[in-house]
Amino acid sequence: NAGVTQTPKFQVLKTGQSMTLQCAQDMNHEYMSWYRQDPGMGLRLIHYSVGAGITDQGEVPNGYNVSRSTTEDFPLRLLSAAPSQTSVYFCASSYRYNSPLHFGNGTRLTVT
Amino acid sequence: DAKTTQPPSMDCAEGRAANLPCNHSTISGNEYVYWYRQIHSQGPQYIIHGLKNNETNEMASLIITEDRKSSTLILPHATLRDTAVYYCIVKGVNNNDMRFGAGTRLTVKP
Repeated sequence: NAGVTQTPKFQVLKTGQSMTLQCAQDMNHEYMSWYRQDPGMGLRLIHYSVGAGITDQGEVPNGYNVSRSTTEDFPLRLLSAAPSQTSVYFCASSYRYNSPLHFGNGTRLTVT
Repeated sequence: DAKTTQPPSMDCAEGRAANLPCNHSTISGNEYVYWYRQIHSQGPQYIIHGLKNNETNEMASLIITEDRKSSTLILPHATLRDTAVYYCIVKGVNNNDMRFGAGTRLTVKP
């Protein structure tokens, strides 16, 4: 039982490049979400999903896309990276929409 | 915006109890108090949550005042590995309502 697995751990992008941050969980959790954490700030919700085929926007969704084709995977796509997207990204999952969250160990993204 | 107020930092001696306060004066009747912590650069870790009653688990105890406007997280015997940022969060039923503030940076000293 690996929990929530995020890949890659580190990534450097140039402005305008695209990439996908991967998130997978093996706990059969219904709910999955993406957060970003900037220095000195708390985590902010980007997108979330309450089940396969269902996604919705959080606090800061602009510049990011998500999809949930399977229960296990919830990738986050940056279509055209900007320096403002330099951050640490955390994926989290929970058994249901109101259960405690389990977090991955993050992807540290730098956009130059 | 986060619905809670926490001190930015606290120190605690190893082996002593760490008492972390949190104010949530605008909490609604159906909102829970959750505590998470973030050790160094890892992902946040769930600690405990409660609605009205005090709660205890293997990690910590949560004391909620009768008017529910404040709470205290208690780590009964702090160790160096408890050094982390502790987040107090008030949220309703849905996890997408969860808002993280800046938290309290707890430093456990030998």
